[in-house]
Amino acid sequence: KAGVTQTPRYLIKTRGQQVTLSCSPISGHRSVSWYQQTPGQGLQFLFEYFSETQRNKGNFPGRFSGRQFSNSRSEMNVSTLELGDSALYLCASTFDRVKGELFFGEGSRLTVL
Amino acid sequence: DQQVKQNSPSLSVQEGRISILNCDYTNSMFDYFLWYKKYPAEGPTFLISISSIKDKNEDGRFTVFLNKSAKHLSLHIVPSQPGDSAVYFCAASGNSGGSNYKLTFGKGTLLTVNP
Repeated sequence: KAGVTQTPRYLIKTRGQQVTLSCSPISGHRSVSWYQQTPGQGLQFLFEYFSETQRNKGNFPGRFSGRQFSNSRSEMNVSTLELGDSALYLCASTFDRVKGELFFGEGSRLTVL
Repeated sequence: DQQVKQNSPSLSVQEGRISILNCDYTNSMFDYFLWYKKYPAEGPTFLISISSIKDKNEDGRFTVFLNKSAKHLSLHIVPSQPGDSAVYFCAASGNSGGSNYKLTFGKGTLLTVNP
């Protein structure tokens, strides 16, 4: 069974630009969550999508948005990039939203210059 | 408001000895507690979990203990191996309203197992 796939793996942007990250979950997983990892802050929850609907949202500004498609694939978008948005963005999927056993992708490393 | 706290940023142990990683939480409504392991340049991988109605769960070298009265859980690794060197994240799952559930992570503890 293929794991969670995230693209692109690495990208460099400049301040003010926008970026779109993509995530393909494990087949059969309908829940997709996004996390931001920065040094010293651990894993910060961005949002979760289930059946194409956003079910949970973390404490991030409206510049961070996402969506999920009918095949459960998900994208997240960050507009008007700031230097502080430089981070590893992790996508995770699961079939059991209660227990929280997430399967993570390898992440997209975003650098904002 | 950090609901899941890992107060030790790092821990160093000798190969063969026990590693004990600690985690505290503030929300007594969490249903499940989990540990994830993360190597550099990889996504976290699920290690072990425990239901809030249990106080111990064991899987091979890994055991998780839950003390609900103290709102504390710990991960024991016995014996520790150099390949266990990684960042360990504690996480807790709870209902965030309706049928929605949210996983909250601690900031992680870097475990180094020395040969």
